Amino acid sequence: SQTIHQWPATLVQPVGSPLSLECTVEGTSNPNLYWYRQAAGRGLQLLFYSVGIGQISSEVPQNLSASRPQDRQFILSSKKLLLSDSGFYLCAWGEGAGANVLTFGAGSRLTVL
Amino acid sequence: RKEVEQDPGPFNVPEGATVAFNCTYSNSASQSFFWYRQDCRKEPKLLMSVYSSGNEDGRFTAQLNRASQYISLLIRDSKLSDSATYLCVVYSFGGYNKLIFGAGTRLAVHP
Repeated sequence: SQTIHQWPATLVQPVGSPLSLECTVEGTSNPNLYWYRQAAGRGLQLLFYSVGIGQISSEVPQNLSASRPQDRQFILSSKKLLLSDSGFYLCAWGEGAGANVLTFGAGSRLTVL
Repeated sequence: RKEVEQDPGPFNVPEGATVAFNCTYSNSASQSFFWYRQDCRKEPKLLMSVYSSGNEDGRFTAQLNRASQYISLLIRDSKLSDSATYLCVVYSFGGYNKLIFGAGTRLAVHP
């Protein structure tokens, strides 16, 4: 069966520090992978989308970047965090027609101070 | 206007009650619709897809009204364990931002 792992689960970082969140998927090949952010009281916002190794699409301009160095690995990064980067970050794997049925990782809760 | 709108709630209902949530979407070309459930501080999980003819899964019934561009979720015989936030999700083909999530409707079921 397919599983998705995401870490770290929680982190507190100072403004201006770097960030690296990692996501890996098991039990499937060539998955469509997503990074979402959920701010308090708001809907999930798509940050990045990847259909394969090295293929990253960005939805909104921001202080973040993503990379897909391996088929089942998706990394979210920042060189310098902003206060506004605080939130709940979710990696997801898409399946079904159009990869529109998402399975999410457990999430990474980031607080920038 | 938001692409997907939901009443944030909270809906406070007693156990055994029937409760319904609506969700409206703005893109008439939207093709697929889903309800996800999200427990507090957890990841969203797929509850059910919404089919054109309506569909039922146990105590949960989902309906789609394309003409009025809304979907609904009905929960019968509410349980304490149904307390969660319910996210409406709309999929439109084309481009990579295909899935639009509503901000969610919070349900609190009390004894």
